[in-house]
Amino acid sequence: ETGVTQTPRHLVMGMTNKKSLKCEQHLGHNAMYWYKQSAKKPLELMFVYSLEERVENNSVPSRFSPECPNSSHLFLHLHTLQPEDSALYLCASSQVPKDSGRHYNEQFFGPGTRLTVL
Amino acid sequence: AQSVTQLDSQVPVFEEAPVELRCNYSSSVSVYLFWYVQYPNQGLQLLLKYLSGSTLVESINGFEAEFNKSQTSFHLRKPSVHISDTAEYFCAVSAPGTAGGTSYGKLTFGQGTILTVHP
Repeated sequence: ETGVTQTPRHLVMGMTNKKSLKCEQHLGHNAMYWYKQSAKKPLELMFVYSLEERVENNSVPSRFSPECPNSSHLFLHLHTLQPEDSALYLCASSQVPKDSGRHYNEQFFGPGTRLTVL
Repeated sequence: AQSVTQLDSQVPVFEEAPVELRCNYSSSVSVYLFWYVQYPNQGLQLLLKYLSGSTLVESINGFEAEFNKSQTSFHLRKPSVHISDTAEYFCAVSAPGTAGGTSYGKLTFGQGTILTVHP
């Protein structure tokens, strides 16, 4: 596998289900991201893990719970979702330098998980 | 904070015609600029980026974008489009990150422009 992979690619779940989305990056990066892409809306940044610490949590409802067990894996645990949570969930990764200096953030994206909540 | 405005939500063109996708941004600091492309049922792919130096940047598939600091724009152009260019295009800006993990250079995206190339 190369790049950023996401599983499953499609998921249909009821509002009372619990499911998890998985992301794996094979690029040796040290930062990972979850985005939500809804129709006719800009990409919404949900969570950021950098150097294995959660550094951003953008007022996401608690029914979304991220987990980053190591720098290569990222999960999004879902429970008691609402129909308006139906969207494409994208994972991305990038390399954040640990030493000093300005840097730009080139993010590499996975193909996404298309989530439908019934 | 940064913001990005893509002025057209949809752009239909005929094959071999030129196209311009417009992007304006606002920021209180100097930024890096990106165009990403999303083909149907795929994630986003980086098309090109402006970091510094020449204000005109090019991609390998014939797209180019010009950074205009005075107009705070980063419009994407292609002189002759193909059917395969049909996709959604996102403009994004990033303030420079600094040392350590907490300042990772957050990307702010525009709402996207759907480019549809007709035969």
